[in-house]
Amino acid sequence: QVQLVESGGGVVQPGRSLRLSCAASGFTFSSYGMHWVRQAPGKGLEWVAAIWYDGSNKDYTDSVKGRFTISRDNSKNTLYLQMNSLRAEDTAVYYCARDVAGTIATPDYWGQGTLVTVSS
Amino acid sequence: QSALTQPASVSGSPGQSITISCTGTSSDVGSYNLVSWYQQHPGKAPKLMIYEVSKRPSGLSNRFSGSKSGNTASLTISGLQAEDEADYSCCSYAGSSTFVFGSGTKVTVL
Repeated sequence: QVQLVESGGGVVQPGRSLRLSCAASGFTFSSYGMHWVRQAPGKGLEWVAAIWYDGSNKDYTDSVKGRFTISRDNSKNTLYLQMNSLRAEDTAVYYCARDVAGTIATPDYWGQGTLVTVSS
Repeated sequence: QSALTQPASVSGSPGQSITISCTGTSSDVGSYNLVSWYQQHPGKAPKLMIYEVSKRPSGLSNRFSGSKSGNTASLTISGLQAEDEADYSCCSYAGSSTFVFGSGTKVTVL
């Protein structure tokens, strides 16, 4: 069955960096697009970034452009999110999600999330 | 990239039907048939309930249905059950590999 396990969350000071990982199993990782979606405490879901199956196309929500980088290593079945210049408003549970397609169409399976807290 | 608009809460009695609306713009909901709906119980990961406006993932109850008219998509839950009590969020493709989620709706089963 599809499994997505996020890691790398924690408490970090404003302005610092953090890298999240998402280990995938139960499907052919290299065939599917992937997403990062976040949820601030008590708030709704917010799409953060997506990457095509081969890494050739990536896009981001405006608030993280220039600060966050999504990437993938298909040889390790792992998705990453490099987060730089973190701000208090980046505090959230970060979910990775598989897409139904190799390109990008719809997030379907989700991991359990990893909490990122940006605080001094 | 403003969030899609959903009612904050919707409630119904067991067995009743409820409908949750999701209003976007001509740049997202109105332009693409890539609207999806997610159910999320407290402390849990979201679960895909509807994709491409009205399609159900394999094995999902047919009590859940989706539709779209113009810039507004809707999720209907018929035969409401206690286990349907959860938060529901819509999501739309917004072009150039970007997406926008709704503000979320809390469904309460009375």
